[in-house]
Amino acid sequence: EDQVTQSPEALRLQEGESSSLNCSYTVSGLRGLFWYRQDPGKGPEFLFTLYSAGEEKEKERLKATLTKKESFLHITAPKPEDSATYLCAVQGGSNYKLTFGKGTLLTVNP
Amino acid sequence: SAVISQKPSRDICQRGTSLTIQCQVDSQVTMMFWYRQQPGQSLTLIATANQGSEATYESGFVIDKFPISRPNLTFSTLTVSNMSPEDSSIYLCSVEDLTNGYTFGSGTRLTVV
Repeated sequence: EDQVTQSPEALRLQEGESSSLNCSYTVSGLRGLFWYRQDPGKGPEFLFTLYSAGEEKEKERLKATLTKKESFLHITAPKPEDSATYLCAVQGGSNYKLTFGKGTLLTVNP
Repeated sequence: SAVISQKPSRDICQRGTSLTIQCQVDSQVTMMFWYRQQPGQSLTLIATANQGSEATYESGFVIDKFPISRPNLTFSTLTVSNMSPEDSSIYLCSVEDLTNGYTFGSGTRLTVV
């Protein structure tokens, strides 16, 4: 059974204070690892898909990296508008199911 | 990327009643997915809905409790039947998007009293 563990559960940063969120996973035959952002009262918003170890993707202040056991979401010089819950999910095997972690609640104070 | 409209956005229901949630996509898609997000828990897949066939349910979810319709390639409904307070949750539909992984609707926040 696919499993995803995200840490920390919550992270509070000052504006401009860079940090990383972790997503550890076990999956049978990784087809993709997904990062989403979720704001209160809204559905998850797609950020990145990573497919193989060593792959990296960037978008504005966010950079996602992938190894065979975990993924990191690096946030550089965050702003208050980056405050949200960040979700990690994996897709494995031959099915379309996404297995999600519980997320990291990020708060960036001005 | 696909745009999903989900209705209602929220509802408060009496226990023992049923609620039907609608999901409309602005493009034709083969599969639609229904997820549940309970407080403090991760998103969990309820079922996969294919047009023209029975939905496929994940372990722990049954058709009698969560019947799904998929009448065409742009629309699906999920019904939460005989509700109890434990069904209070956010319900989300999702579709595969060729450019953006999987796109999600804005969700239906259900409270059962």
